[in-house]
Amino acid sequence: DVVLTQSPLSLPVTLGQPASISCRSSQSLVSSDGNTYLNWFHLRPGQSPRRLIYTVSNRDSGVPDRFSGSGSGTDFTLRISRVEAEDVGVYYCMQATHWPSTFGQGTKVEIK
Amino acid sequence: EVQLVESGGGLVKPGVSLRLSCAASGFTFSNAWMGWVRQAPGKGLEWVGRIGPKSDGGTPDYVAPVKGRFTISRDDSEATLFLQMDSLKIDDTAVYYCATTGGGQWGQGTLVTVSS
Repeated sequence: DVVLTQSPLSLPVTLGQPASISCRSSQSLVSSDGNTYLNWFHLRPGQSPRRLIYTVSNRDSGVPDRFSGSGSGTDFTLRISRVEAEDVGVYYCMQATHWPSTFGQGTKVEIK
Repeated sequence: EVQLVESGGGLVKPGVSLRLSCAASGFTFSNAWMGWVRQAPGKGLEWVGRIGPKSDGGTPDYVAPVKGRFTISRDDSEATLFLQMDSLKIDDTAVYYCATTGGGQWGQGTLVTVSS
């Protein structure tokens, strides 16, 4: 199975400051169709996961533009340009290129 | 509006069976790749399995820990996804989410607790 390794696992951030989460894959996530199925999710306690980014860098509808995704091959990054209070929670990367789809371990974002 | 609504969770003893349902609306369910994701207490997210539309064969896939015990099926006439869970183990305790396989849509989750 593809292993996704996120870092850091805990990220204390200051409101208004940028934040960045890395997701590294044990193998290339480029699919045979040429797409790279690497998505990012935000999970708050008691809520369902919400997808923020799909296929590396595409923001889902309604996701603030302070969220951005980048990367290629095996190395990916989620960036928050200016952290707001509502951004706390756990962030997961997920690959859907290879079955079984797998998630990273999660990165817990909290306000300092 | 897209909606996925799970039901069927509960408290059961090890070894018994449970069937989860996920009622879909607001999109063409019969064309959708669907799956089940779970989150054990204090743990991360884990795919359980997926099923494609009948036009793509409709054969389900599973992850190793549930293979041979869990069965995913779909009723396109009722726009409903199912997860039949047999021989439940304590380690199957989790919130189970129904989701599209790309993760764009999720249900609210249903809690399955396996305990003696």
